[in-house]
Amino acid sequence: KQEVTQIPAALSVPEGENLVLNCSFTDSAIYNLQWFRQDPGKGLTSLLLIQSSQREQTSGRLNASLDKSSGRSTLYIAASQPGDSATYLCAAPNQAGTALIFGKGTTLSVSS
Amino acid sequence: IAGITQAPTSQILAAGRRMTLRCTQDMRHNAMYWYRQDLGLGLRLIHYSNTAGTTGKGEVPDGYSVSRANTDDFPLTLASAVPSQTSVYFCASSDRDGYGYTFGSGTRLTVV
Repeated sequence: KQEVTQIPAALSVPEGENLVLNCSFTDSAIYNLQWFRQDPGKGLTSLLLIQSSQREQTSGRLNASLDKSSGRSTLYIAASQPGDSATYLCAAPNQAGTALIFGKGTTLSVSS
Repeated sequence: IAGITQAPTSQILAAGRRMTLRCTQDMRHNAMYWYRQDLGLGLRLIHYSNTAGTTGKGEVPDGYSVSRANTDDFPLTLASAVPSQTSVYFCASSDRDGYGYTFGSGTRLTVV
């Protein structure tokens, strides 16, 4: 059974700081891993998708890496801004490959 | 605007009543999903459908049923609501291989 864990559960940083969010998964036979953002009271928005053949994926100030052998992914946010404040969720396919299983998320607060 | 429409946005429901949450997508995605999100438990998969005419059970299917009569609609029915079904419900869709995961804005359901 696929399980996805994210640490830390919450993180507070001053504006401008670089930061790393961590995700681990138990079933490494995945075909992709995804990172999402959720603002309070809203649905989830896809940020990055890393295919199993890739080691990392970049979008603007966001960089996600994937290490299938160790069952880990990281989301790196460069030069954080108050607008980055949100909950970030990592998701990996379940063992049957029929749906995504989500971690509980890391709630990020960036202060100006 | 392409995406997922969920209705209602919120509902207070008496225990024992029947309720259907509606979900419609206009992206012609093959797969659709229902998740519930609870504080401390994160997002959990209720049911999914990989293509019209087929459905499958997720992590927490008890007390819920779904149908997929066509590509666009994926309603979730609570046959006899109980207080433990108080939650925020999210509908999502993706293409056949899990790419393009898109979420609706959610339905906040309170069962009293």
